[in-house]
Amino acid sequence: ILNVEQSPQSLHVQEGDSTNFTCSFPSSNFYALHWYRWETAKSPEALFVMTLNGDEKKKGRISATLNTKEGYSYLYIKGSQPEDSATYLCALQNNNAGNMLTFGGGTRLMVKP
Amino acid sequence: DSGVTQTPKHLITATGQRVTLRCSPRSGDLSVYWYQQSLDQGLQFLIQYYNGEERAKGNILERFSAQQFPDLHSELNLSSLELGDSALYFCASSPRQGGNSYEQYFGPGTRLTVT
Repeated sequence: ILNVEQSPQSLHVQEGDSTNFTCSFPSSNFYALHWYRWETAKSPEALFVMTLNGDEKKKGRISATLNTKEGYSYLYIKGSQPEDSATYLCALQNNNAGNMLTFGGGTRLMVKP
Repeated sequence: DSGVTQTPKHLITATGQRVTLRCSPRSGDLSVYWYQQSLDQGLQFLIQYYNGEERAKGNILERFSAQQFPDLHSELNLSSLELGDSALYFCASSPRQGGNSYEQYFGPGTRLTVT
């Protein structure tokens, strides 16, 4: 069983604050790390798929980095807005586990206006 | 809108019953994945089909089964339902088997309540 951990579990920030959260995963047999954004009453939406150590990806105010050697990825949100409020999920795709994604528990972000 | 459709949106049924959840993948996607989101657990992978064949199996109970049809839609069958089967069931699709780290596109989910 692969252990994918996300921290913190939840986060309250003020509009305009920048924030970041962590996804930790076993580094052996790494294939890819996925980030998803999941708004209440909607379906998870793919943000990034990262495969290479040192990868950095950016989409608007959201960016992510990847360290496959030490087994972690950071997601950053610059200048948080209320519409960023959602649960952010990371998921590990592993060489030994075929095509399945192993999800972390998520970080629930709430941005107060 | 991801392009993945799931029906029904909500389902309420009694213990011991059997239900079928349906998923239509995005146009052109060959892989379908099923996930379960329970109250006390994160998203758990159940099973994957690629072009009609089972490709990967996760924590899927023996009471549950799935298939993918020639038109690529998939059905998840849940039988002898128990209270603990109450959950949100997601279907996702991707163009290939997933080995090329393709994103998975999630449907809106089916919320199953077993009473």
